[in-house]
Amino acid sequence: EAGVVQSPRYKIIEKKQPVAFWCNPISGHNTLYWYRQNLGQGPELLIRYENEEAVDDSQLPKDRFSAERLKGVDSTLKIQPAELGDSAVYLCASSSRGTANTGELFFGEGSRLTVL
Amino acid sequence: QKEVEQDPGPLSVPEGAIVSLNCTYSNSAFQYFMWYRQYSRKGPELLMYTYSSGNKEDGRFTAQVDKSSKYISLFIRDSQPSDSATYLCAYTNAGKSTFGDGTTLTVKP
Repeated sequence: EAGVVQSPRYKIIEKKQPVAFWCNPISGHNTLYWYRQNLGQGPELLIRYENEEAVDDSQLPKDRFSAERLKGVDSTLKIQPAELGDSAVYLCASSSRGTANTGELFFGEGSRLTVL
Repeated sequence: QKEVEQDPGPLSVPEGAIVSLNCTYSNSAFQYFMWYRQYSRKGPELLMYTYSSGNKEDGRFTAQVDKSSKYISLFIRDSQPSDSATYLCAYTNAGKSTFGDGTTLTVKP
């Protein structure tokens, strides 16, 4: 069974430029999460989807961040414009209907963003 | 105060040592308790989860939960160099997980 796939793995951009990250969850997993992990810290939730509905986006900085999950499968997270403080690893995770409540998350390898 | 506090480390032990990793939490609503392992430049992977006070074993790993003290621990027996990683504790309530900042462990051969 393929795991959670993310791209790109690494991205270097200059501040004020846009950037987008893509995630394909494990087949059959209806819950998808985007987390941000700063250096030396644990992951922090940005947004959680149940199928194509964003059910928790309270921590998403909506002035510059946007996300979508069309058709309830893969998802895109966009930052426009990027700021220096956005440098972090952006992790996508998924879980099935039976494991979402218990917090059993399956993570991708992450997309490491560096903003210069 | 953060909802989840984790011993910061880093921790360095010789191969074969018993390792103890600890977290405390403040939110009594947390229902499930997890430990994730994260290798350098990789995503976290779930090691163990539990929802009740007491011990849960899985091979060389034991998760211990004390809900009355709001404290969880992960013990690693006969530690191996391949256990070198960052260990993240996490708590879940209503489908939302909150992570600690991780403890980085190095097991020296």
